[in-house]
Amino acid sequence: DGGITQSPKYLFRKEGQNVTLSCEQNLNHDAMYWYRQDPGQGLRLIYYSQIVNDFQKGDIAEGYSVSREKKESFPLTVTSAQKNPTAFYLCASKRYSSGGQETQYFGPGTRLLVL
Amino acid sequence: RKEVEQDPGPFNVPEGATVAFNCTYSNSASQSFFWYRQDCRKEPKLLMSVYSSGNEDGRFTAQLNRASQYISLLIRDSKLSDSATYLCVVNKGDRGQNFVFGPGTRLSVLP
Repeated sequence: DGGITQSPKYLFRKEGQNVTLSCEQNLNHDAMYWYRQDPGQGLRLIYYSQIVNDFQKGDIAEGYSVSREKKESFPLTVTSAQKNPTAFYLCASKRYSSGGQETQYFGPGTRLLVL
Repeated sequence: RKEVEQDPGPFNVPEGATVAFNCTYSNSASQSFFWYRQDCRKEPKLLMSVYSSGNEDGRFTAQLNRASQYISLLIRDSKLSDSATYLCVVNKGDRGQNFVFGPGTRLSVLP
């Protein structure tokens, strides 16, 4: 099946701990994104990557880091510098349609909780 | 002013009702527009793209008014399964960081 997978589904972080969220896609999409969603709020962009070995900060990058060593993979690390990490984290990738329109597709998300 | 604004909701409607969601965007250079549906504790899923001429997919109709920078979604004959949060999404057209999400409007269809 083609799609975007995220793991784990739930993740618990202790104070001062770095944790890494996995995102993999087999859609052959070039661009990948990480968003954060807080309860009752919209999605906010953390980081995005348009091609392998390149990524850019989004609106709320502080306390997060990413890598893009392979086209299929875009892991997100939540560092200890992120003081309020409890949220729903969504990974997305983007395809171009034949008409030139871009469309984003999302993985199932990872829910991060701080112990 | 937020880049993408939506009706605050929630909307509670009976089965069979027609319901309309509104969305406005601030960037006149925005190039493409979408409605996503998000179920509770799930990821957003693409419902439909919005084209300048308006488009329909079964019970769902989307309209775009570029002059007013306004997008709408109409759901006819609401089903219980339509209960979800509906997100308006705008592609600003800049390279990369170009999708802007509205806060969403929650719909509850009641029996």
